[in-house]
Amino acid sequence: QSVLTQPPSASGTPGQRVTISCSGSYSNLGIKTASWYQHLPGSAPKVLIYYDDKRPSGVPDRFSGSKSGTSASLAISGLQSEDEADYYCASWDNSLSGVVFGGGTKLTVL
Amino acid sequence: QVQLQLAGPRLVKPSQTLSLTCAISGDSVSSDRSAWTWIRQSPSRGLEWLGRTYYRSQWFHDYAVSLKSRISIDPDTSKNQFSLHLNSVTPEDTAVYYCARWDHDHSYVDFWGQGTLVTVSS
Repeated sequence: QSVLTQPPSASGTPGQRVTISCSGSYSNLGIKTASWYQHLPGSAPKVLIYYDDKRPSGVPDRFSGSKSGTSASLAISGLQSEDEADYYCASWDNSLSGVVFGGGTKLTVL
Repeated sequence: QVQLQLAGPRLVKPSQTLSLTCAISGDSVSSDRSAWTWIRQSPSRGLEWLGRTYYRSQWFHDYAVSLKSRISIDPDTSKNQFSLHLNSVTPEDTAVYYCARWDHDHSYVDFWGQGTLVTVSS
C-alpha cells in the first residue's frame, strides 16, 4: 500500500486531455511539494513536473501540474500515442523522513 | 550534465548481501545541493525509495523505514561514487535498481542512472 494514492489506470484517445490524481496527507503533500515522473518500459523514469507545477526544460507544455491541500494532479493535454506509459507522483514525507511515491498510474492511449 | 553509472552483480543468493555502486560524473558526491539516492522498481511495489546520503558539513543518511535494519548507503569521495548495501536479501528484493540525484532545493529526482535488474535467487 503506497503512501500516496493514485488510480491504477487511466485512458484517453489521441488529442484528449487526461488528468491523473495523487492523494496524500499533511506530512507529505500538505507541507511538501509534488513531482511527477513518466516511466517507459526499459528506461529510467523521467521527471515531468517538479515543485508542484514547474516543468524542466525539454518537457512539452502539454504536461502540467497542480496541487491543492493534500492532493496533486498531473494533466496531459493533446494526448499522443507516445504518452502511453506509467506515471508516478512523489513527495518528501516529514513523518517518515523519506521520499514517498504513488503506486503508479498506467496510461493507455486508445 | 550529470551522469550516473551503476555497477554490480545481477544475481544474488538469498540471505546474502546485495551491493551496487554508482559512479558520478558532472557533479560531486560531496555537493551541498544534492542528495545521492537509491530507488528500486518492481511490478508488485512500483517505485520504492530506499534511501540517500548527502553532505552538509558532515555526512547524513536517511533510509526507508521498512529497510532500516539491513541497508546502508555509503559515499566514496576518492572515487566520486556512492554505494548501496542491502543484506539478508530475499526474492522480494528482486527489482530494477536505480541510483539517482535528488535536487535538494526543489525536492525532486532530476537525474537517474540507467537501472539494473538484480535477481535474488539460489
